[in-house]
Amino acid sequence: DIVMTQTPLSLSVTPGQPASISCKSSQSLLYSDGKTYLYWYLQKPGQSPQLLIYEVSSRFSGVPDRFSGSGSGTDFTLKISRVEAEDVGVYYCMQGIHLPWTFGQGTKVEIK
Amino acid sequence: QVQLVQSGAEVKKPGASVKVSCKASGYTFTSYDISWVRQAPGQGLEWMGWISAYNGNTNYAQKLQGRVTMTTDTSTSTAYMELRSLRSDDTAVYYCSAGTGDYWGQGTLVTVSS
Repeated sequence: DIVMTQTPLSLSVTPGQPASISCKSSQSLLYSDGKTYLYWYLQKPGQSPQLLIYEVSSRFSGVPDRFSGSGSGTDFTLKISRVEAEDVGVYYCMQGIHLPWTFGQGTKVEIK
Repeated sequence: QVQLVQSGAEVKKPGASVKVSCKASGYTFTSYDISWVRQAPGQGLEWMGWISAYNGNTNYAQKLQGRVTMTTDTSTSTAYMELRSLRSDDTAVYYCSAGTGDYWGQGTLVTVSS
């Protein structure tokens, strides 16, 4: 199975400051169709996960533009340009190219 | 708007089976695959498998092979996940999602306890 490794596992951020989460996969997530199947989700406290970013860098409908994704191959990053109070929760990366799909361990983001 | 509404919480004894439903609305049901993901208490997300709502093709996580069955009923736009031979470590919140996690159900808590 592909191993997804997120760092850091927790992050405490001052509102208005940027935040960055790294996700590394044990194999390339580039598919033969030219797409890279790396996703980012946020699970707010007590809620179901929600999709933020698909295929590395495309924001899902309704996701604020302070969220951005980048990377290629096996190294990926989620950035929040200015953290807001509503951004607290656990962020997960997931690969959707090799079965079984696998998630990172999660990064818990808190507000200082 | 797209909604996935799951069935209610279940309490089961070890060795029993559970069947969780996921009723979709707000989109053409056959347009999205349905994935099932579970989350044990205080833990991360675990992908269980997916089913094509278009043709019923399935892919299950190897560790659940033989114990899990995913089905759909296109007449009611409902997906089902059945897990058999339940063990205590199957205690978790079970989520359905459409597409690659584009939309999620509210989750169903399944508790396995004697």
